[in-house]
Amino acid sequence: SYELTQPPSVSVSPGQTASITCSGDQLGDKFPSWYQQRPGQSPVLVIYQGTKRPSGIPERFSGSNSGNTATLTISGTQAMDEADYYCQARDSSNVVFGGGTKLTVL
Amino acid sequence: QVQLVESGGGVVQPGRSLRLSCTASRFKFSNYGMHWVRQAPGKGLEWVAVIWFDGSNKYYADSVRGRFTASRDNSKNTVYLQMNSLRAEDTAVYYCARDRDWSTYNYFDQWGQGALVTVSS
Repeated sequence: SYELTQPPSVSVSPGQTASITCSGDQLGDKFPSWYQQRPGQSPVLVIYQGTKRPSGIPERFSGSNSGNTATLTISGTQAMDEADYYCQARDSSNVVFGGGTKLTVL
Repeated sequence: QVQLVESGGGVVQPGRSLRLSCTASRFKFSNYGMHWVRQAPGKGLEWVAVIWFDGSNKYYADSVRGRFTASRDNSKNTVYLQMNSLRAEDTAVYYCARDRDWSTYNYFDQWGQGALVTVSS
């Protein structure tokens, strides 16, 4: 079965750039999406189809996607960005999520 | 503002059944596929099932196939998840989510607030 791998945790200082990776076989062909989940809240879409940002999502969120790796980048990270982040892709008739990455803003 | 509201969660004994509902509003429900996604306590997101906009196709995760059934009633703007033969490992918050672009690179653009299902004797 298809798997997506994320680092369990990433730390960043306020104002700096955070990068969260997601790896999977030929992930670049699957144009993954990214979700932010703050504690006690439902997930929120922050990037879809690899690089697109939904309306209402700050410009500091961006996505890249190539080969076997997709990356969510948060520029000028703010304290409010502290959350869990999940990548997601469809593989045939299945939907797969990465294990999630806890972003800590120190 | 699009709204998805889950209901029907609760505590159920192992082996018993439970049905979740998700009622949608403020968008044309019959145009969209709908998913169920769950999250066990302290764990990550796990996809459960998808039902197409017209109910003509349904796909399930291996962990629930044969036990869970998704259905929908477009006249009521509601999607359901019938859960049978429940196990302790089914304990989770269950979210419904709206599908976008299943035919290409799908994603979920709207999520409900979730319904907690606890399977315990």
